Amino acid sequence: GAGVSQSPRYKVAKRGQDVALRCDPISGHVSLFWYQQALGQGPEFLTYFQNEAQLDKSGLPSDRFFAERPEGSVSTLKIQRTQQEDSAVYLCASSLGDVQKLFFGSGTQLSVL
Amino acid sequence: KQEVTQIPAALSVPEGENLVLNCSFTDSAIYNLQWFRQDPGKGLTSLLLIQSSQREQTSGRLNASLDKSSGRSTLYIAASQPGDSATYLCAVAPATGNTPLVFGKGTRLSVIA
Repeated sequence: GAGVSQSPRYKVAKRGQDVALRCDPISGHVSLFWYQQALGQGPEFLTYFQNEAQLDKSGLPSDRFFAERPEGSVSTLKIQRTQQEDSAVYLCASSLGDVQKLFFGSGTQLSVL
Repeated sequence: KQEVTQIPAALSVPEGENLVLNCSFTDSAIYNLQWFRQDPGKGLTSLLLIQSSQREQTSGRLNASLDKSSGRSTLYIAASQPGDSATYLCAVAPATGNTPLVFGKGTRLSVIA
């Protein structure tokens, strides 16, 4: 595709629900990143893939957060038993390499009620 | 741990003014530095990327400088326009290469017609 695509655009969840957020990176991009952006803050790193390998998951805030990229293209970020503090915009980005120019999607805005 | 600070947090200027946004980082061992633009409810758009060996990059009315030794970067916007209104984020890539971008909290710019 022309850019990084994320779905859904908005997600409202009741506390305790599980959610799954999808990211379609730019075709051919090896690296894929997930970031969490709280209101009024800069993006905070969650996890990073190079192809299908998850090389860094140090930013995941708890074991309720899980990400996968099984075929090295589409990635899914899953949040189990959502809490109010999980409310944020979740941004996905891809690049040709891990220190190359990043291209971001529009994000998924998650609201946990 | 790398920390990125952006000053000011918000800035309002009349149309036509030249302006400077500031970014500072605590660890000078960086691979590159990027400036991003974020419009409300949207993802991030990369404006300029400066490699650690470079001093500045220019694109149209935008000029970004990098002083790695002092841990500073500036984004200069010439002849500002209302369409420049957005949040501008600075992000550094640590020199280790396999670690993710570290973002500042951004400067929210309003250009008044």
